[in-house]
Amino acid sequence: EVLLVESGGGSIQRGGSLRLSCAASGFTFDNHAMTWVRQAPGKGLEWVSLINAAGTTRFYADSVRGRFTISRDNSKNTLFLQMNSLRAEDTAIYYCAKDVGSPRWAYSFDFWGQGTLVTVSS
Amino acid sequence: QSALSQPPSASGSPGQSVTISCTGTNRDIGGYDYVSWYQQHPGKAPKLIIYDVIKRPSGVPDRFSGSRSGITASLTVSALQAEDEAIYYCSSYEGSNTVTFGGGTKVTV
Repeated sequence: EVLLVESGGGSIQRGGSLRLSCAASGFTFDNHAMTWVRQAPGKGLEWVSLINAAGTTRFYADSVRGRFTISRDNSKNTLFLQMNSLRAEDTAIYYCAKDVGSPRWAYSFDFWGQGTLVTVSS
Repeated sequence: QSALSQPPSASGSPGQSVTISCTGTNRDIGGYDYVSWYQQHPGKAPKLIIYDVIKRPSGVPDRFSGSRSGITASLTVSALQAEDEAIYYCSSYEGSNTVTFGGGTKVTV
């Protein structure tokens, strides 16, 4: 059974930093790209970032580029999102998700974690 | 990045069909086969129900089908059931190594 468990969310002041983690199990982690998607309270989905299976290619939404860094540790089956210079508009539930494609990514995400809430206060 | 355009709501009676549209541009829906649909129930994580425009992941009922005409993708849910009541989001690759989502359509059964 595929399982994705996010952690690291919480309340942080504007300008602060947080590091999210996503522990993966139930599939061959280093065969799949992984992504972060967020959802502001009561709003729709917003794609944040994607990293390829090897961890050598990274893509970002314009809204987070230069502030967020996606990474992965394939030896520990864990995905990360380092979030710096946080803004009020970064307040959201952050989901990690597995890409359906292998080995190349397919920009579709077939398994999701339960999400971790990040609240940025001013 | 531009968001895809979805109607805010749709409805149907049990056993009927409902079709949701998702309109983009030639730089996203009309340009690539990376179109997906997700179902989200309140308080839950999204669930992939269609990818690559028309493909269904294992375990998704064949009552769910995807299609595309030009810059508009569509999701049809046939033989509506109570558990199909949810918010449905479309997404597409944008051709600049980014992904965009639609605003979501609340389906009421």
